[in-house]
Amino acid sequence: ETGVTQSPTHLIKTRGQQVTLRCSSQSGHNTVSWYQQALGQGPQFIFQYYREEENGRGNFPPRFSGLQFPNYSSELNVNALELDDSALYLCASSPNSGKETQYFGPGTRLLVL
Amino acid sequence: GEDVEQSLFLSVREGDSSVINCTYTDSSSTYLYWYKQEPGAGLQLLTYIFSNMDMKQDQRLTVLLNKKDKHLSLRIADTQTGDSAIYFCAETPTTSGTYKYIFGTGTRLKVLA
Repeated sequence: ETGVTQSPTHLIKTRGQQVTLRCSSQSGHNTVSWYQQALGQGPQFIFQYYREEENGRGNFPPRFSGLQFPNYSSELNVNALELDDSALYLCASSPNSGKETQYFGPGTRLLVL
Repeated sequence: GEDVEQSLFLSVREGDSSVINCTYTDSSSTYLYWYKQEPGAGLQLLTYIFSNMDMKQDQRLTVLLNKKDKHLSLRIADTQTGDSAIYFCAETPTTSGTYKYIFGTGTRLKVLA
């Protein structure tokens, strides 16, 4: 059984650009949640996908969007990058719409210059 | 409201016990979690407790839950230098129907040899 994987591990972008981050969920898990962790802070919930549909969203603007694919992997897209988007982006997978424990990937560290 | 508070730092000597405290706000949380984050890494699940339990022990880890005061603690027995990391507690409010995690800001544990 493979764990949660994310790609890329690190990324540098400039203000105004767009970025796509990827997450492969753990085998048997149908729910993926995305979190943003700014330096020195706890992770903040961005949104969750359950069986390819968005299943809840945190306090993030619409330029943060996502997708979930039939194999339950997921993408996080961020448009019009701002300096404050620099953070560690974590995805977590879980079975059963997230009611059970969420397992986190290693994260993608994004730096916006 | 949804808010989780933790003290920022804790320093202990190797071999001593560490106690990390957390207060949360949402009484609808079914589970409460403890995660560990080492530098540059994702979140590693340490343990969790169901909201109708008072205590859970898992090897060197003991979780205590005071539901009346909305207080959660994690005790690490015989703390080792490898335990140095940031520890996050998380509540899981279910009022919105989305099983998102609300994290505290994390407690940085430093273990002195």
